[in-house]
Amino acid sequence: QVQLVQSVGEVKKPGASVTVSCEASGFNFSNFGISWVRQAPGEGLEWMGWISPNNGHTVYAQKFKGRVTMTTDTSTNTAYMEVRSLRSADTAMYYCARDNWESGDFDFWGQGTLVTVSS
Amino acid sequence: DIVMTQSPHSLAVSLGERATINCKSSQRISYSSTNRNYLTWYQQRPGQPPKVLIYWASTRQSGVPDRFRGSGSGTNFTLTISSLQAEDVAVYYCQQYHTTPYTFGQGTKLEIK
Repeated sequence: QVQLVQSVGEVKKPGASVTVSCEASGFNFSNFGISWVRQAPGEGLEWMGWISPNNGHTVYAQKFKGRVTMTTDTSTNTAYMEVRSLRSADTAMYYCARDNWESGDFDFWGQGTLVTVSS
Repeated sequence: DIVMTQSPHSLAVSLGERATINCKSSQRISYSSTNRNYLTWYQQRPGQPPKVLIYWASTRQSGVPDRFRGSGSGTNFTLTISSLQAEDVAVYYCQQYHTTPYTFGQGTKLEIK
């Protein structure tokens, strides 16, 4: 069955960086995109960007360009997202999701990784 | 960016009654080449990641009960739950998949009256 398993939560200080991982199984990793979505406490969903594991092509939301890097490792079917220069407003649950361009949706989601930014 | 506007922000409905959630996009989210509207509805229960209910505005995801129905085209879309069950308490989001950045509505919180 399709699964996306994310890394455990982290606590970081302002100005630090964090990398969240997302290990995929149960499907051909190269045939789908991976999108990253975050959700601040009590807030809605915010799309951060997308990566194609097939060729490494990325598309980032404008507000995250220059501060976020998405990568994949096809040998381990794992996607990574690094967020740099963390601030308190980055405190959120971060989700990876399988981006299914055939159905035009995010059809499977990871369990989420809580990143807390606090001094 | 395409702005997705949901209404209402919250909704309380009695068990067995109908619930209706609306979503409006700031521009058309269909492609004439496919005749599809790239609008997805998600359900997010407390403490859980979102789950796809409806894609292409009206196609139910496998395993989703048929009391969930999506409709609409162009810029106006609706999610209808025909007979509310207790397990439907959740926040519902619409999302457009037409153009990056893929944007979500602000969410509609559905509760039992």
